[in-house]
Amino acid sequence: QKEVEQDPGPLSVPEGAIVSLNCTYSNSAFQYFMWYRQYSRKGPELLMYTYSSGNKEDGRFTAQVDKSSKYISLFIRDSQPSDSATYLCAMSLYSGAGSYQLTFGKGTKLSVIP
Amino acid sequence: EAQVTQNPRYLITVTGKKLTVTCSQNMNHEYMSWYRQDPGLGLRQIYYSMNVEVTDKGDVPEGYKVSRKEKRNFPLILESPSPNQTSLYFCASSPSAGTDTQYFGPGTRLTVL
Repeated sequence: QKEVEQDPGPLSVPEGAIVSLNCTYSNSAFQYFMWYRQYSRKGPELLMYTYSSGNKEDGRFTAQVDKSSKYISLFIRDSQPSDSATYLCAMSLYSGAGSYQLTFGKGTKLSVIP
Repeated sequence: EAQVTQNPRYLITVTGKKLTVTCSQNMNHEYMSWYRQDPGLGLRQIYYSMNVEVTDKGDVPEGYKVSRKEKRNFPLILESPSPNQTSLYFCASSPSAGTDTQYFGPGTRLTVL
């Protein structure tokens, strides 16, 4: 079983829809949870960062972490064509000697249709 | 402008011809890493560096070398490239390891014939 599972999609939604992106993980030692957005032909950029269970909101984006279920989500409200990108979840855990291991999901490709 | 730069952006080479992909950051970050991104496999870490002269293997280090002689530079070296190293490569940096935001470079698309 992979440590981080993410449905690759593609996911296509109409403009204005609420988008839900999800990842599950198997290692309960993961402490920090992130969502990155990657536009075509660009490097990933950090979108959201959380370290505790619950919700964190930033504008139209809400990151949700449920550590008991080992499940994280990213919600996008009022989706826009400019949100069309690949979204990668990422998680990190302390691996010793001051180092953290970062593991990425495979990414979900989202298209928002005008 | 704070950024991570990579060169070259695109490279086509032949099997066995040594190559170096450069990576440089101007944010005084301690932590730097290299990833490769392949369809269906996602981002996988090749090597990382906690600081100058400190490097360690990531998930897929075979066939790659790195060095960290200066804080700002972290070149990726392929001594004898093979076709299975055809991929999209990203360099990233962060103020410290793991928990901080990682800033990614624009990527280098490598094709090994």
